[in-house]
Amino acid sequence: DSGVTQTPKHLITATGQRVTLRCSPRSGDLSVYWYQQSLDQGLQFLIQYYNGEERAKGNILERFSAQQFPDLHSELNLSSLELGDSALYFCASSVGSGSSNEQFFGPGTRLTVL
Amino acid sequence: GNSVTQMEGPVTLSEEAFLTINCTYTATGYPSLFWYVQYPGEGLQLLLKATKADDKGSNKGFEATYRKETTSFHLEKGSVQVSDSAVYFCALSGFTGGGNKLTFGTGTQLKVEL
Repeated sequence: DSGVTQTPKHLITATGQRVTLRCSPRSGDLSVYWYQQSLDQGLQFLIQYYNGEERAKGNILERFSAQQFPDLHSELNLSSLELGDSALYFCASSVGSGSSNEQFFGPGTRLTVL
Repeated sequence: GNSVTQMEGPVTLSEEAFLTINCTYTATGYPSLFWYVQYPGEGLQLLLKATKADDKGSNKGFEATYRKETTSFHLEKGSVQVSDSAVYFCALSGFTGGGNKLTFGTGTQLKVEL
C-alpha cells in the first residue's frame, strides 16, 4: 500500500459524458501527478500540481482539467468523453517537486467509455 | 525531448535464472532514473532509483547502475522467483521549468516459470 488513494476504482460511462476522478496523496506529500495508461499510448504524464499550483503539463487534452485543493487532494475532470479516453488513470504523489523525488502511485481508476 | 527505450517482452525465464532487462534513455540535463514494477491489476510500485551517474540502486535482489557514458540503466537480478512475474517499467524524471514528470518506457513483461 503506497498511501495514495484513488476513487472510484472503476467507472463506466457513455460518450459525451463528464466524470471526476479523485486522488488523496500520501500524508506529507505536496506534489500530485496524473498519468494515463492505455494499450496504444503506454504511460503518459498528464499534469502536476505542487501545493495547489500547476507546475508541469504534459499531453493533456483541452477536454481534461485538474486541480489541487487546499487539503492537497486532487481531482481530474474529463469531459466530452470519447471511446479513446478509456484507460487506467493513475495519481502519484511526492514530497517535493524536484526530479529526484520518488513518486508513489495509487491503485488507479479504470475508466471505460461505451 | 526525453525518451526511454526498453527491450521488448515478454521475457520468459525459469526460476533461479539470471535476469537482465535493458533500458536506455535520451535526456537533457541530469535526470534521475527509476524502475517501477506493476503486478496484474495493481498500480506501479517503485522498485529502485538512482539520482546521479555511477549510482547503483538496489532493492529485493534487483540492481541497476546509472551509466551516463552509455545512457543506460539496465535492471538485473541474480535469481528470479515465480513471484517476480510482472511488468517492469524504466523511467526517467525530468525537471521541466519548475515542475517534474516521469517519462516511461513501454514496459517489459517478465514471466517466471517453475
